[in-house]
Amino acid sequence: AQTVTQSQPEMSVQEAETVTLSCTYDTSESDYYLFWYKQPPSRQMILVIRQEAYKQQNATENRFSVNFQKAAKSFSLKISDSQLGDAAMYFCAYRSSGAGGTSYGKLTFGQGTILTVHP
Amino acid sequence: EAGVTQSPTHLIKTRGQQATLRCSPISGHTSVYWYQQALGLGLQFLLWYDEGEERNRGNFPPRFSGRQFPNYSSELNVNALELEDSALYLCASSTGQSLFYNSPLHFGNGTRLTVT
Repeated sequence: AQTVTQSQPEMSVQEAETVTLSCTYDTSESDYYLFWYKQPPSRQMILVIRQEAYKQQNATENRFSVNFQKAAKSFSLKISDSQLGDAAMYFCAYRSSGAGGTSYGKLTFGQGTILTVHP
Repeated sequence: EAGVTQSPTHLIKTRGQQATLRCSPISGHTSVYWYQQALGLGLQFLLWYDEGEERNRGNFPPRFSGRQFPNYSSELNVNALELEDSALYLCASSTGQSLFYNSPLHFGNGTRLTVT
């Protein structure tokens, strides 16, 4: 079974600065999808960014970018020009591309990282 | 476009009772997922329904069950409630099996279940 590990329970950043959240995963598969979600105090999980494992180019969405290191099974999220609204719990998630088995269709989440943004 | 809606927002039950949680997916989505988010435990996969069928379930006891209706809405039932069932229950929807690998899950705001 796949596992996702976020080793930083909490991180903090000053407004307008850059922060990187770490994520590693364990899998024997070669094709899969990776996601970062944020969960603000409102509780709703919001997709931040996604990456297909077969793509070498790192995904970017405005101020959010990832550093995808497939060999190292690492998928970190970089937030540039941090804003107060970025404060949330951030979850890294893995989805297998294979059909069938216990991993079929589900997203496996890490434990989350609480990000605090200081004004 | 309306998002994923869940009801009720909060639910308080006594140990041993049954709880029913409801979820309406985004229009056009046929897959519905249920996750449990207990304090300090992250999101644990509960169930996945697509086209009315249960496609996968997580490592939870059989007293956690559910179903998906013809309009793709879904219901999660938790029987014989235990104190440790207290958690936020999140529902998510996505496009169906043929397309979902790259399509993200869209989450609702959750139902906070408290068991006393």
